Amino acid sequence: NAGVTQTPKFQVLKTGQSMTLQCAQDMNHNSMYWYRQDPGMGLRLIYYSASEGTTDKGEVPNGYNVSRLNKREFSLRLESAAPSQTSVYFCASIPGLGYNEQFFGPGTRLTVL
Amino acid sequence: AQRVTQPEKLLSVFKGAPVELKCNYSYSGSPELFWYVQYSRQRLQLLLRHISRESIKGFTADLNKGETSFHLKKPFAQEEDSAMYYCALSWSSNTGKLIFGQGTTLQVKP
Repeated sequence: NAGVTQTPKFQVLKTGQSMTLQCAQDMNHNSMYWYRQDPGMGLRLIYYSASEGTTDKGEVPNGYNVSRLNKREFSLRLESAAPSQTSVYFCASIPGLGYNEQFFGPGTRLTVL
Repeated sequence: AQRVTQPEKLLSVFKGAPVELKCNYSYSGSPELFWYVQYSRQRLQLLLRHISRESIKGFTADLNKGETSFHLKKPFAQEEDSAMYYCALSWSSNTGKLIFGQGTTLQVKP
């Protein structure tokens, strides 16, 4: 099992460009999460999907959209990237609600110039 | 609102010295607390959770509800313990959401 995978690993964008970060898990997990990691701020939840077909905002959703494409895949889209979105993005999943150990992907390092 | 605070950005100790990484939380209900670790060039992974009351890699953490703390301790630090450590709180089994502290970098010097 690959666990949680994320693509791309690195990306550089110019202000105003759009892109989609991909996340997939092969563990048959129900719930998936997107975080951003910034120095001195820890990990902050952007969006989550408690189950296939549902998505909800987290702590810092502005400037982002998500799609739970199917049970395996949960993508994060930046419609018009801003320098403030320069960060490391992590995807995570859990088997189901009530099971709170999150399994993380390797991260995507995004720079917006 | 729920909150997790890790007051130290960086903790630097010598090999063999005791280590204590501090974590305080604010939540009025019964939280579930975790410690996650991120080694260099590796993904974030669970180190331990308070419910398990176990020792992993020599680390222990006790939930102190009176002081709302969940400090991570190890009696003798090893160089391979150098990493970023995050304390996290789960308060909602309906969503599985976690709130993370700011993180503490542990540096163990030879």
